[in-house]
Amino acid sequence: GENVEQHLSTLSVQEGDSAVIKCTYSDSASNYFPWYKQELGKRPQLIIDIRSNVGEKKDQRIAVTLNKTAKHFSLHITETQPEDSAVYFCAASLYTMSGANNLFFGTGTRLTVIP
Amino acid sequence: DTEVTQTPKHLVMGMTNKKSLKCEQHMGHRAMYWYKQKAKKPPELMFVYSYEKLSINESVPSRFSPECPNSSLLNLHLHALQPEDSALYLCASSQATSGAYEQYFGPGTRLTVT
Repeated sequence: GENVEQHLSTLSVQEGDSAVIKCTYSDSASNYFPWYKQELGKRPQLIIDIRSNVGEKKDQRIAVTLNKTAKHFSLHITETQPEDSAVYFCAASLYTMSGANNLFFGTGTRLTVIP
Repeated sequence: DTEVTQTPKHLVMGMTNKKSLKCEQHMGHRAMYWYKQKAKKPPELMFVYSYEKLSINESVPSRFSPECPNSSLLNLHLHALQPEDSALYLCASSQATSGAYEQYFGPGTRLTVT
Protein backbone atom coordinates (compact mmCIF):
# COMPACT_ATOMS: atom_id res chain seq x y z
CA GLY A 1 0.00 0.00 0.00
CA GLU A 2 0.89 3.68 -0.09
CA ASN A 3 3.29 5.12 2.51
CA VAL A 4 3.31 8.89 2.95
CA GLU A 5 6.11 10.43 4.96
CA GLN A 6 5.96 13.93 6.42
CA HIS A 7 9.35 14.50 7.95
CA LEU A 8 8.81 17.72 9.84
CA SER A 9 6.69 17.23 12.94
CA THR A 10 6.92 20.88 13.97
CA LEU A 11 7.78 24.11 12.19
CA SER A 12 7.98 27.59 13.68
CA VAL A 13 8.22 30.73 11.56
CA GLN A 14 8.01 34.44 12.17
CA GLU A 15 4.89 36.20 11.00
CA GLY A 16 5.33 37.32 7.43
CA ASP A 17 7.89 34.66 6.59
CA SER A 18 7.26 31.70 4.31
CA ALA A 19 6.67 28.12 5.43
CA VAL A 20 7.38 25.01 3.39
CA ILE A 21 6.25 21.50 4.36
CA LYS A 22 7.39 18.55 2.28
CA CYS A 23 5.99 15.05 1.93
CA THR A 24 7.16 11.97 0.09
CA TYR A 25 5.08 9.07 -1.14
CA SER A 26 5.91 5.55 -2.21
CA ASP A 27 3.31 4.41 -4.75
CA SER A 28 3.96 5.85 -8.20
CA ALA A 29 0.32 5.10 -9.11
CA SER A 30 -1.00 7.70 -6.64
CA ASN A 31 -2.63 10.48 -8.61
CA TYR A 32 -4.14 12.94 -6.15
CA PHE A 33 -2.40 14.88 -3.39
CA PRO A 34 -4.47 17.01 -0.99
CA TRP A 35 -3.34 19.11 1.94
CA TYR A 36 -5.53 19.46 5.01
CA LYS A 37 -5.35 22.01 7.81
CA GLN A 38 -6.63 20.95 11.19
CA GLU A 39 -7.04 23.36 14.07
CA LEU A 40 -7.30 22.03 17.60
CA GLY A 41 -10.58 20.23 18.17
CA LYS A 42 -11.82 20.85 14.63
CA ARG A 43 -12.24 18.85 11.45
CA PRO A 44 -9.54 18.57 8.80
CA GLN A 45 -10.19 21.18 6.13
CA LEU A 46 -8.98 20.82 2.57
CA ILE A 47 -6.87 23.85 1.74
CA ILE A 48 -5.35 22.90 -1.59
CA ASP A 49 -4.86 19.83 -3.73
CA ILE A 50 -3.01 18.81 -6.86
CA ARG A 51 -3.49 16.08 -9.39
CA SER A 52 -0.69 14.09 -10.94
CA ASN A 53 -1.00 15.75 -14.33
CA VAL A 54 -0.08 19.15 -12.85
CA GLY A 55 3.25 20.30 -11.43
CA GLU A 56 2.14 23.33 -9.45
CA LYS A 57 -1.02 24.95 -8.20
CA LYS A 58 -1.49 28.22 -6.40
CA ASP A 59 -4.34 29.78 -4.45
CA GLN A 60 -3.55 33.21 -3.02
CA ARG A 61 -0.93 32.70 -0.29
CA ILE A 62 -0.74 28.93 -0.56
CA ALA A 63 0.75 26.78 -3.29
CA VAL A 64 1.52 23.13 -3.80
CA THR A 65 4.23 21.64 -6.00
CA LEU A 66 4.52 18.06 -7.16
CA ASN A 67 7.58 16.21 -8.40
CA LYS A 68 6.37 12.87 -9.73
CA THR A 69 9.84 11.64 -10.61
CA ALA A 70 11.12 12.13 -7.09
CA LYS A 71 7.74 11.27 -5.57
CA HIS A 72 7.47 14.29 -3.36
CA PHE A 73 5.10 17.20 -3.00
CA SER A 74 5.30 20.34 -0.93
CA LEU A 75 3.02 22.94 0.62
CA HIS A 76 4.17 26.54 0.44
CA ILE A 77 2.59 29.27 2.55
CA THR A 78 3.78 32.82 1.97
CA GLU A 79 3.29 35.88 4.19
CA THR A 80 2.34 33.68 7.11
CA GLN A 81 -0.15 34.96 9.66
CA PRO A 82 -0.88 33.78 13.22
CA GLU A 83 -4.15 32.23 12.02
CA ASP A 84 -2.10 29.89 9.83
CA SER A 85 -1.00 28.13 13.02
CA ALA A 86 -2.43 24.61 12.91
CA VAL A 87 -1.52 21.03 12.08
CA TYR A 88 -1.09 20.40 8.37
CA PHE A 89 -1.55 16.91 6.93
CA CYS A 90 -0.49 15.86 3.49
CA ALA A 91 -2.12 12.87 1.84
CA ALA A 92 -1.81 10.75 -1.27
CA SER A 93 -4.62 8.98 -2.97
CA LEU A 94 -5.36 6.58 -5.74
CA TYR A 95 -8.75 6.58 -7.36
CA THR A 96 -10.20 3.07 -7.14
CA MET A 97 -12.50 1.11 -9.42
CA SER A 98 -15.17 1.19 -6.71
CA GLY A 99 -15.54 4.92 -7.21
CA ALA A 100 -13.95 5.89 -3.91
CA ASN A 101 -10.47 7.21 -3.30
CA ASN A 102 -8.43 6.05 -0.34
CA LEU A 103 -6.52 8.80 1.41
CA PHE A 104 -3.22 7.88 3.00
CA PHE A 105 -2.14 10.61 5.38
CA GLY A 106 1.25 11.81 6.48
CA THR A 107 1.88 12.16 10.21
CA GLY A 108 1.24 15.91 10.28
CA THR A 109 3.28 19.07 10.82
CA ARG A 110 2.39 21.50 13.57
CA LEU A 111 3.01 24.96 12.19
CA THR A 112 3.40 27.81 14.66
CA VAL A 113 3.49 31.36 13.35
CA ILE A 114 5.11 33.65 15.90
CA PRO A 115 3.67 37.19 15.92
CA ASP B 1 -25.47 22.40 1.09
CA THR B 2 -21.73 21.74 1.20
CA GLU B 3 -21.53 20.28 4.65
CA VAL B 4 -21.11 16.90 6.27
CA THR B 5 -22.85 16.68 9.64
CA GLN B 6 -22.21 14.22 12.42
CA THR B 7 -24.13 13.39 15.59
CA PRO B 8 -23.56 13.28 18.46
CA LYS B 9 -20.65 15.69 18.96
CA HIS B 10 -19.57 13.93 22.12
CA LEU B 11 -20.31 10.45 23.39
CA VAL B 12 -19.31 8.73 26.59
CA MET B 13 -20.07 5.04 26.80
CA GLY B 14 -19.25 2.09 28.96
CA MET B 15 -17.64 -1.04 27.64
CA THR B 16 -20.93 -2.94 27.71
CA ASN B 17 -23.01 -0.28 25.95
CA LYS B 18 -24.30 -0.24 22.40
CA LYS B 19 -24.35 3.12 20.65
CA SER B 20 -24.38 4.49 17.13
CA LEU B 21 -22.70 7.40 15.37
CA LYS B 22 -24.51 9.11 12.54
CA CYS B 23 -23.21 10.98 9.51
CA GLU B 24 -25.24 12.82 6.89
CA GLN B 25 -24.46 14.72 3.70
CA HIS B 26 -26.67 16.28 1.04
CA MET B 27 -24.05 17.01 -1.59
CA GLY B 28 -25.04 14.05 -3.74
CA HIS B 29 -21.78 12.29 -2.94
CA ARG B 30 -21.84 8.53 -3.49
CA ALA B 31 -18.68 7.68 -1.54
CA MET B 32 -18.63 7.94 2.24
CA TYR B 33 -15.87 7.17 4.70
CA TRP B 34 -15.27 6.54 8.39
CA TYR B 35 -11.94 7.56 9.90
CA LYS B 36 -10.58 7.22 13.41
CA GLN B 37 -8.23 9.90 14.72
CA LYS B 38 -6.27 9.58 17.94
CA ALA B 39 -4.73 12.66 19.55
CA LYS B 40 -1.76 14.08 17.65
CA LYS B 41 -2.13 11.45 14.93
CA PRO B 42 -3.47 11.56 11.37
CA PRO B 43 -6.89 10.20 10.48
CA GLU B 44 -6.88 6.44 9.88
CA LEU B 45 -9.28 4.99 7.36
CA MET B 46 -11.73 2.45 8.78
CA PHE B 47 -14.45 1.88 6.19
CA VAL B 48 -15.40 3.08 2.73
CA TYR B 49 -18.80 2.87 1.12
CA SER B 50 -19.24 3.46 -2.57
CA TYR B 51 -22.76 3.55 -4.00
CA GLU B 52 -24.03 2.23 -0.65
CA LYS B 53 -21.81 -0.84 -0.83
CA LEU B 54 -18.97 -1.50 1.54
CA SER B 55 -15.86 -1.40 -0.61
CA ILE B 56 -13.06 -1.17 1.95
CA ASN B 57 -12.79 -2.52 5.47
CA GLU B 58 -9.36 -1.78 6.83
CA SER B 59 -9.16 -4.76 9.20
CA VAL B 60 -11.31 -3.04 11.79
CA PRO B 61 -12.46 -5.10 14.81
CA SER B 62 -16.00 -6.44 14.60
CA ARG B 63 -17.06 -4.30 17.57
CA PHE B 64 -17.34 -1.54 14.93
CA SER B 65 -20.13 -2.18 12.46
CA PRO B 66 -20.81 0.26 9.61
CA GLU B 67 -24.09 0.75 7.82
CA CYS B 68 -25.09 2.84 4.82
CA PRO B 69 -28.92 2.94 4.74
CA ASN B 70 -29.03 5.32 1.77
CA SER B 71 -26.79 7.56 -0.27
CA SER B 72 -26.97 10.42 2.26
CA LEU B 73 -26.55 8.54 5.53
CA LEU B 74 -23.74 6.61 7.12
CA ASN B 75 -23.88 4.99 10.54
CA LEU B 76 -21.26 3.41 12.73
CA HIS B 77 -22.63 0.97 15.31
CA LEU B 78 -20.52 0.46 18.40
CA HIS B 79 -20.66 -2.50 20.76
CA ALA B 80 -18.38 -3.79 23.51
CA LEU B 81 -15.74 -1.14 22.90
CA GLN B 82 -12.45 -0.90 24.72
CA PRO B 83 -10.92 2.20 26.36
CA GLU B 84 -8.33 2.31 23.56
CA ASP B 85 -11.18 2.95 21.13
CA SER B 86 -11.55 6.42 22.59
CA ALA B 87 -10.84 8.83 19.73
CA LEU B 88 -12.33 11.35 17.35
CA TYR B 89 -14.43 9.57 14.73
CA LEU B 90 -14.61 11.46 11.47
CA CYS B 91 -16.96 10.93 8.59
CA ALA B 92 -16.13 12.16 5.11
CA SER B 93 -17.75 12.09 1.71
CA SER B 94 -16.69 12.56 -1.89
CA GLN B 95 -18.03 12.19 -5.35
CA ALA B 96 -17.45 8.76 -6.79
CA THR B 97 -16.84 9.64 -10.42
CA SER B 98 -13.62 9.68 -12.29
CA GLY B 99 -11.70 12.90 -11.77
CA ALA B 100 -13.57 13.99 -8.65
CA TYR B 101 -11.53 13.38 -5.54
CA GLU B 102 -12.11 16.00 -2.84
CA GLN B 103 -13.10 14.50 0.48
CA TYR B 104 -15.12 16.70 2.80
CA PHE B 105 -14.95 15.94 6.50
CA GLY B 106 -17.61 16.26 9.13
CA PRO B 107 -16.83 17.82 12.53
CA GLY B 108 -16.41 14.43 14.15
CA THR B 109 -17.75 12.64 17.19
CA ARG B 110 -15.45 12.61 20.18
CA LEU B 111 -15.89 9.21 21.77
CA THR B 112 -14.79 8.31 25.27
CA VAL B 113 -15.03 4.70 26.39
CA THR B 114 -14.99 4.23 30.15
